[in-house]
Amino acid sequence: AQSVTQLDSQVPVFEEAPVELRCNYSSSVSVYLFWYVQYPNQGLQLLLKYLSGSTLVKGINGFEAEFNKSQTSFHLRKPSVHISDTAEYFCAVSDISKIIFGKGTRLHILP
Amino acid sequence: DTAVSQTPKYLVTQMGNDKSIKCEQNLGHDTMYWYKQDSKKFLKIMFSYNNKELIINETVPNRFSPKSPDKAHLNLHINSLELGDSAVYFCASMRDGGGYTFGSGTRLTVV
Repeated sequence: AQSVTQLDSQVPVFEEAPVELRCNYSSSVSVYLFWYVQYPNQGLQLLLKYLSGSTLVKGINGFEAEFNKSQTSFHLRKPSVHISDTAEYFCAVSDISKIIFGKGTRLHILP
Repeated sequence: DTAVSQTPKYLVTQMGNDKSIKCEQNLGHDTMYWYKQDSKKFLKIMFSYNNKELIINETVPNRFSPKSPDKAHLNLHINSLELGDSAVYFCASMRDGGGYTFGSGTRLTVV
């Protein structure tokens, strides 16, 4: 069975500062990894995904994530955040049959 | 063109009522899902169908009954609604290779 742990429930960060949202996963099989963003009162939007190949994955809105198999991590980063990045961010893992989500990290952008 | 569409977007109903949420995808995907997002934003899988066949049923009360008339549709019927059923319900579809597309969600409020 797979599981996903997002270590921080909330992350406050000043506007234009860098941010890292942490995600660790566990699985007994090869998995696909995802980051989704949910803006207030909106649905889920795919930020980026790792299926295979290069471990550094670039997504939309300037986000990127690095797959680290030895540390079973898939942390999300952005070098400079904007107020519009205020949202809930979900890390997820899939073994093809289903996608399992972490509990989410709320990103607060401070002016 | 909306890839995964859910109706209605909002649903307010009284305890004890029976209601349905509809989902349609025009992506040609074989697999569809229902997820529930509770008040703490936690996303949990409820059901998965592959080509009209039930694949996953994650210990959901039997008041919830999914129905898939064809592989492009997965509807969710809920009997005898309870206060605890209040949540946002997301439909999703998956293509082979792990690409998931989510609907915009149905916010169900039971009063």
